[in-house]
Amino acid sequence: QSALTQPASVSGSPGQSITISCTGTSSDVGGYNYVSWYQQHPGKAPKLMIYEVTNRPSGVSNRFSGSKSGNTASLTISGLQAEDEADYYCSSFTSIATYVFGTGTKVTVL
Amino acid sequence: EVRLVESGGGLVQPGGSLRLSCSASGFTFSTFAMHWVRQAPGKGLEFVSAINNEGHTTYYPDSVKGRFTISRDNSKNTLYLEMGSLRPEDRAVYYCAREVGGWGGADYWGQGTLVTVSA
Repeated sequence: QSALTQPASVSGSPGQSITISCTGTSSDVGGYNYVSWYQQHPGKAPKLMIYEVTNRPSGVSNRFSGSKSGNTASLTISGLQAEDEADYYCSSFTSIATYVFGTGTKVTVL
Repeated sequence: EVRLVESGGGLVQPGGSLRLSCSASGFTFSTFAMHWVRQAPGKGLEFVSAINNEGHTTYYPDSVKGRFTISRDNSKNTLYLEMGSLRPEDRAVYYCAREVGGWGGADYWGQGTLVTVSA
């Protein structure tokens, strides 16, 4: 199972919106509404930001939103803040009953 | 407060074995599926294994299938990962995580335990 494809880096200025893409196949992203997104700061454990494509866990800012079209899922961060600078990973359930993670995207706040 | 605490990491020789544990508290452990996810130094996340809430069904990617075994003891609120035939490429921080429900993702993670495979 190959890793899902994410851009290596995305950057934006405070207050701007950015979108991170996550491209898979019909055997993972395109086949199931089980895409999740994680934020990871250096030296810390991942934090769930979005689950089941669009759902935000309790406590996660509504500046984070998820969507999916075909084999590509997206995470949008609106009103970018300094604290959003981190690595972001997507993940999807797969047709062989495992999870596959994305390659990861480093978000930089300029 | 949900809390997951991993233990059991350390240095092991190639071909050796190690058992990781994850102690859970702050929620009804027996009602949640659980995962192990690893992260090699400076690399991305990799799914290692999952187990349903009762412990009857397990899941592995090809990279660890036949070498790793996930299990749980609901009476002790503890998740395990038995790792065998360890390779240098298994070196990583191993996280346990709680499934949010129905393969939706993992909503709580431990702090991780480092496994190093080296002669």
